[in-house]
Amino acid sequence: GAGVSQSPSNKVTEKGKDVELRCDPISGHTALYWYRQRLGQGLEFLIYFQGNSAPDKSGLPSDRFSAERTGESVSTLTIQRTQQEDSAVYLCASSSGTSGDEYFGPGTRLTVT
Amino acid sequence: AQSVSQHNHHVILSEAASLELGCNYSYGGTVNLFWYVQYPGQHLQLLLKYFSGDPLVKGIKGFEAEFIKSKFSFNLRKPSVQWSDTAEYFCAVSDSGAGSYQLTFGKGTKLSVIP
Repeated sequence: GAGVSQSPSNKVTEKGKDVELRCDPISGHTALYWYRQRLGQGLEFLIYFQGNSAPDKSGLPSDRFSAERTGESVSTLTIQRTQQEDSAVYLCASSSGTSGDEYFGPGTRLTVT
Repeated sequence: AQSVSQHNHHVILSEAASLELGCNYSYGGTVNLFWYVQYPGQHLQLLLKYFSGDPLVKGIKGFEAEFIKSKFSFNLRKPSVQWSDTAEYFCAVSDSGAGSYQLTFGKGTKLSVIP
């Protein structure tokens, strides 16, 4: 299991519910990114973690979105009070921080009904 | 803020045809440039990247891209496509001076290769 993994692969939730998405980066990768891809759109940056530094949250679309990462391991992206416009594929990527090569996970497809 | 434009939404080619996918970016600073590919049912993979040096970059599977700074372009090329090249291709840029490799993506170009 050398790649980035994400869970769940698919999530259907009702409007107004909270959801939590998980990302397991490649071991040893200090940088972790969350992106989302809405239908017909390119990927949008959400948040970036680098080691123990304060995360770059500049891409989060609203205060309903938050993310955490413990050290250089697992990250969770939480969306509170989900809205239909949150429906998208949420992608996680990790990199060693020196090469700039981002390795992407398979994504979580979130559908808000 | 950076932005990336991929002008072709869907390209359809016959096998052995030559490919060129356009990518233009807008940003005043120094950038790193990437092409990612997503094959059907698979996740995004890095195809090639440009950081500095020779503006003609060669990637996997016979792909290459040329960085033309004066045109703010980083077009992807392949002389002869195969059916297995059917995929969606994304151009992306990052600010090389920012310390973060946060990527700004284009909307993608879907390539369909007909056998």
